[in-house]
Amino acid sequence: SQQGEEDPQALSIQEGENATMNCSYKTSINNLQWYRQNSGRGLVHLILIRSNEREKHSGRLRVTLDTSKKSSSLLITASRAADTASYFCATDASGSARQLTFGSGTQLTVLP
Amino acid sequence: EAEVAQSPRYKITEKSQAVAFWCDPISGHATLYWYRQILGQGPELLVQFQDESVVDDSQLPKDRFSAERLKGVDSTLKIQPAELGDSAMYLCASSLARTGGIGEQYFGPGTRLTVT
Repeated sequence: SQQGEEDPQALSIQEGENATMNCSYKTSINNLQWYRQNSGRGLVHLILIRSNEREKHSGRLRVTLDTSKKSSSLLITASRAADTASYFCATDASGSARQLTFGSGTQLTVLP
Repeated sequence: EAEVAQSPRYKITEKSQAVAFWCDPISGHATLYWYRQILGQGPELLVQFQDESVVDDSQLPKDRFSAERLKGVDSTLKIQPAELGDSAMYLCASSLARTGGIGEQYFGPGTRLTVT
């Protein structure tokens, strides 16, 4: 079962524009992580935000977390063609089952 | 930079045959995960090891899937017999984290399985 759901499912933008992807989840979490997957490859960790954090930055990435709404957003600023990939949120849910549950992903296409 | 190794990268097998995937995690990583990813979906956990012990295999179809991590280093995932619905990407990941915390996971390139 998938705890997180990304929105939109697909996003197409021009190089230089900002891209925003959203993730909603169902249960309380310890942390939420974002991963990137280039076509046919493994996933690469981008950023981890803990449940007591509201915002985190890493280079051109900005992640927000709203635990009251059970949602997170990933903003990529000044996008590049190399940012074209699928982006997944993954939640570490509170409770005894310590595992990551991934959403279904947002496919981002950055047009040159 | 250390990476998670997986082999083979691609596997085509016929229905009812046996197939095996191998994973070598980053040295020193205690926790190893096997995921299955169907095209267009996110990865779903099949089994999680800490050192040589299975921590969670609740989503592993045990009638046909088995996994082992002898000596707590590399790991093998086996499917016998393979079914058409097993066609997917099989991803291995590892992390430093032990029980009590889930941090960053490092993924291998995956094995693309096609069952005909």
